[in-house]
Amino acid sequence: NAGVTQTPKFRILKIGQSMTLQCTQDMNHNYMYWYRQDPGMGLKLIYYSVGAGITDKGEVPNGYNVSRSTTEDFPLRLELAAPSQTSVYFCASSDNGGETQYFGPGTRLLVL
Amino acid sequence: DQQVKQNSPSLSVQEGRISILNCDYTNSMFDYFLWYKKYPAEGPTFLISISSIKDKNEDGRFTVFLNKSAKHLSLHIVPSQPGDSAVYFCAAVGGSNYKLTFGKGTLLTVNP
Repeated sequence: NAGVTQTPKFRILKIGQSMTLQCTQDMNHNYMYWYRQDPGMGLKLIYYSVGAGITDKGEVPNGYNVSRSTTEDFPLRLELAAPSQTSVYFCASSDNGGETQYFGPGTRLLVL
Repeated sequence: DQQVKQNSPSLSVQEGRISILNCDYTNSMFDYFLWYKKYPAEGPTFLISISSIKDKNEDGRFTVFLNKSAKHLSLHIVPSQPGDSAVYFCAAVGGSNYKLTFGKGTLLTVNP
């Protein structure tokens, strides 16, 4: 049982490039979330999903897109990378909404 | 507007003593509170939680206290150990909203 896995661990992007951050969970959780954490700040919710085929915006969705075609996977897409998207991105999942969320190890993204 | 506040960015304690981490919230709809612990280069891990129908929850060395009238909760770690050194995030959820709102975190350093 791997829990929540994220790839890549680290990536450098040039301004305007695009990329997809991968997130997979093997706990059969319905709820999945994407957060970003900037230095000295708490985690801010980007997008979330309550089940396959259902996604919704969080607090800071601009510049990102998500899809949820399966229960296990919840990729996060950056279409036109900007320096403001330099951050650490965490994916999480939970069995019931809101309560204990299980986090992946994070993806550190640097946009130059 | 920050709905969950951790006003102490850092805290340093001696091994064996008590660590007290504080958290204040402003949203009266919050009815479930969680503490997460985060080591560098890892994702947050769930530590302990408390429902608004309780005022205390204990798990080994960790105890969370909730004062609803003051909209304040605290995490007590007794005795503190060097392995407890990490960033601690307070989080809250409530109403029909299953999205966690995080504080900015408190860096706890336990000195041997």
